[in-house]
Amino acid sequence: DIVMTQSPDSLAVSLGERATINCKSSQTISHSSDNKNYLAWYQQKPGQPPKLLIYWASTRESGVPDRFTGSGSGTDFTLTINNLQAEDVAVYYCHQYHSTPDTFGQGTKLEIK
Amino acid sequence: QVQLVQSGAEVKKPGASVKVSCRASGYTFINHDINWFRQASGRGLEWLGWMNSNTGNADYAQKFQGRITMTRDTSISTAYLELNSLTSEDTAVYYCGRGSGSNGRDWFVPWGQGTLVTVSS
Repeated sequence: DIVMTQSPDSLAVSLGERATINCKSSQTISHSSDNKNYLAWYQQKPGQPPKLLIYWASTRESGVPDRFTGSGSGTDFTLTINNLQAEDVAVYYCHQYHSTPDTFGQGTKLEIK
Repeated sequence: QVQLVQSGAEVKKPGASVKVSCRASGYTFINHDINWFRQASGRGLEWLGWMNSNTGNADYAQKFQGRITMTRDTSISTAYLELNSLTSEDTAVYYCGRGSGSNGRDWFVPWGQGTLVTVSS
């Protein structure tokens, strides 16, 4: 199974500042056939199901604010949240869909400083 | 709008079975796979498996093989997850998620609201 490791486990960022969450896969999650990175990012607020933010590592889901940006390739990926808002407080998960079983990172808890 | 609505919370004794439903609306049910996940309290997300909503074919995570079944009733656009031989380790919130993407099950949007399954003697 592909192991997804996020860092940090938690972080506190001031309103209006930038938050950066990293995700590393135990093997490449890029397919040579299409050069795509099979990675998604989800946001989960307390008591709610996960919400899709990003897929193909950098494509923003419809309706997701453009302050959320995904980047990276191969085994190293980053979710950047610019101009942090109070409503961004949540746990963020990366997810690889390159190989079955699908696996998720352990989550990164984002709080306001 | 596209929506998945799950059945209500369940309390089961060890060794029992549980069946959770996931009713889809706002899209053509057979055009998207349904995946199932679970999340123990304060823990991360675990993928349980997926089902082709059109054919009913399913594929399960290896650790659940033999005690998990995913089915569907296309007439009411509803998918089901059944888990047998429950232990306390199965206590979690169970989610369904609609597959999307180039092969229909890359990423998941939306997710159901979750069903809490508690296993306790």
